[in-house]
Amino acid sequence: TQLLKQSPQFLSIQEGENLTVYCNSSSVFSSLQWYRQEPGEGPVLLVTVVTGGEVKKLKRLTFQFGDARKDSSLHITAAQPGDTGLYLCAGGPLAGGYQKVTFGTGTKLQVIP
Amino acid sequence: DAGITQSPRHKVTETGTPVTLRCHQTENHRYMYWYRQDPGHGLRLIHYSYGVKDTDKGEVSDGYSVSRSKTEDFLLTLESATSSQTSVYFCAIRPGTGTGGSPLHFGNGTRLTVT
Repeated sequence: TQLLKQSPQFLSIQEGENLTVYCNSSSVFSSLQWYRQEPGEGPVLLVTVVTGGEVKKLKRLTFQFGDARKDSSLHITAAQPGDTGLYLCAGGPLAGGYQKVTFGTGTKLQVIP
Repeated sequence: DAGITQSPRHKVTETGTPVTLRCHQTENHRYMYWYRQDPGHGLRLIHYSYGVKDTDKGEVSDGYSVSRSKTEDFLLTLESATSSQTSVYFCAIRPGTGTGGSPLHFGNGTRLTVT
């Protein structure tokens, strides 16, 4: 079983602050995705990273895939209350069983106005 | 909107009773998944399907069975519900051939309480 550990587990910050969420594994992934989930709803995809070292930006969110494809980070600049939610990383394995998408443990973010 | 409907949205049942959760999709995608979500554990894969009558186990499959007799429906059954199966259950579909980074699209979940 491939495990994805996210840190921190909880984060409460003031509006305007920056933050970084980490997603780490001992296994290599073919691709890694970040989702955001709001209460009472299913997770919604934010981004997919496929290439080791890849950096993608989505407005104030910057996503990076580690060179070895074992880890990823999500950086939010000038957080806003609308960023509040549960952030989940998810990865598919490199060889075989690629349909088994594994999710991280989640980071619950609260942005206080 | 990926056209995924989960039913029921909420259910309370007693220990030892059978429970079936339904996931219905309107877009004929091949790959469907059942996850459970619990605090501190994120989303854990229970079972998934890669076609009609083709299913496989995930990491937490004990106590659960699935069936997929039609492309559009993926059923999750708890044969004899236990309190440890109290959770929020999410169905997801994965468009395309499933290779590479095609994303999952989720339903809105079923909150199951086993008393």
